Amino acid sequence: AQSVTQLDSQVPVFEEAPVELRCNYSSSVSVYLFWYVQYPNQGLQLLLKYLSGSTLVESINGFEAEFNKSQTSFHLRKPSVHISDTAEYFCAVSGSSNDYKLSFGAGTTVTVRA
Amino acid sequence: DGGITQSPKYLFRKEGQNVTLSCEQNLNHDAMYWYRQDPGQGLRLIYYSQIVNDFQKGDIAEGYSVSREKKESFPLTVTSAQKNPTAFYLCASSRQGAPTDTQYFGPGTRLTVL
Repeated sequence: AQSVTQLDSQVPVFEEAPVELRCNYSSSVSVYLFWYVQYPNQGLQLLLKYLSGSTLVESINGFEAEFNKSQTSFHLRKPSVHISDTAEYFCAVSGSSNDYKLSFGAGTTVTVRA
Repeated sequence: DGGITQSPKYLFRKEGQNVTLSCEQNLNHDAMYWYRQDPGQGLRLIYYSQIVNDFQKGDIAEGYSVSREKKESFPLTVTSAQKNPTAFYLCASSRQGAPTDTQYFGPGTRLTVL
């Protein structure tokens, strides 16, 4: 079974500053990794995912995440945040075995201030 | 527009009453899921279904029941046996239920038991 640890529960950041959200996972098999974003009082939306190939994956709105197998990490970064990036971010992992289940971290709340 | 509909957005019930949360999707997805979200705990899987007329328990199924009579619909009943039902409930679907699939989420139902 897989599990996910998001190391920061709250990340305050000023507009146009960089942000990094940390995610570590544990799994005994190959994994697929996801970042989802949740805006206030809404459902979750996929931000980006790693399935295979290049370890650096990017989203259309400037976020990127790097899969690091040796450190079992999938940290999310953005070089310059906007007020509209204020949201809760969830890291999630599923396995390449027949385990269809998606395991979520506890979430990181990002608050962007002007 | 294709998507997932959850109704109602807010639901209030008295303790001891069963309540059913609606989830409908028009994405032609085979798999559907119910999650419960509590502050600081991420999402926890209640039930999932990979095909019509079949469903499986997730990590926290006690006190909940589901049915999957149609591909488009996956209602969740919160029974009086659920000890702490007040939470935000999210329904999701994915194309086939494979571990590589992106899950698409509805807007959620916030249930408050008085």
